[in-house]
Amino acid sequence: NAGVTQTPKFQVLKTGQSMTLQCAQDMNHNSMYWYRQDPGMGLRLIYYSASEGTTDKGEVPNGYNVSRLNKREFSLRLESAAPSQTSVYFCASSLEGGTGANVLTFGAGSRLTVL
Amino acid sequence: GENVEQHPSTLSVQEGDSAVIKCTYSDSASNYFPWYKQELGKRPQLIIDIRSNVGEKKDQRIAVTLNKTAKHFSLHITETQPEDSAVYFCAAPRGHAGKSTFGDGTTLTVKP
Repeated sequence: NAGVTQTPKFQVLKTGQSMTLQCAQDMNHNSMYWYRQDPGMGLRLIYYSASEGTTDKGEVPNGYNVSRLNKREFSLRLESAAPSQTSVYFCASSLEGGTGANVLTFGAGSRLTVL
Repeated sequence: GENVEQHPSTLSVQEGDSAVIKCTYSDSASNYFPWYKQELGKRPQLIIDIRSNVGEKKDQRIAVTLNKTAKHFSLHITETQPEDSAVYFCAAPRGHAGKSTFGDGTTLTVKP
């Protein structure tokens, strides 16, 4: 039982390049999320998927796209990377059954540097 | 939308002392209040949470208190140890857990 697995752990891009961050969970969770974490700014939601087949914007969606490939997998794509997207990215998932008060389980994070 | 303010941003204590971190929130509909701990270079992990129908919850050396009238909740760590050194985040989700608004974090340093 691996929990939430995200790849790659580290990536260096040049401005304008594209890349996809991959995330998979094996906990049969319904909802998945992508956050970015910048120094002193906590966690900010980029996109989320409440259930398979749905996606929605979070607080900071500009410059990103997502795909909920199936119940297990949720990818984040940067089409044209910019230095402002240098950050640590966390994928997370939650069960979201009934009460709406569920624990977030995070992946280990992906450190992205855009030169 | 929800606004969550967390204080202090940094906190330094001597080993064995207590530490208190406070968060205030704006949305009175929020009903679940988790605290996450993030060690350096690691992922955030839930350490304790409280629901709106409870005023206090304890788990060994950590406790969370909630004041719904004043819209604030606090994390209390007693008998602090060096391994408590980390960044602590509060959150106030409404609806889906992952749509939480997080506080900006408190960096706790426990000096041996």
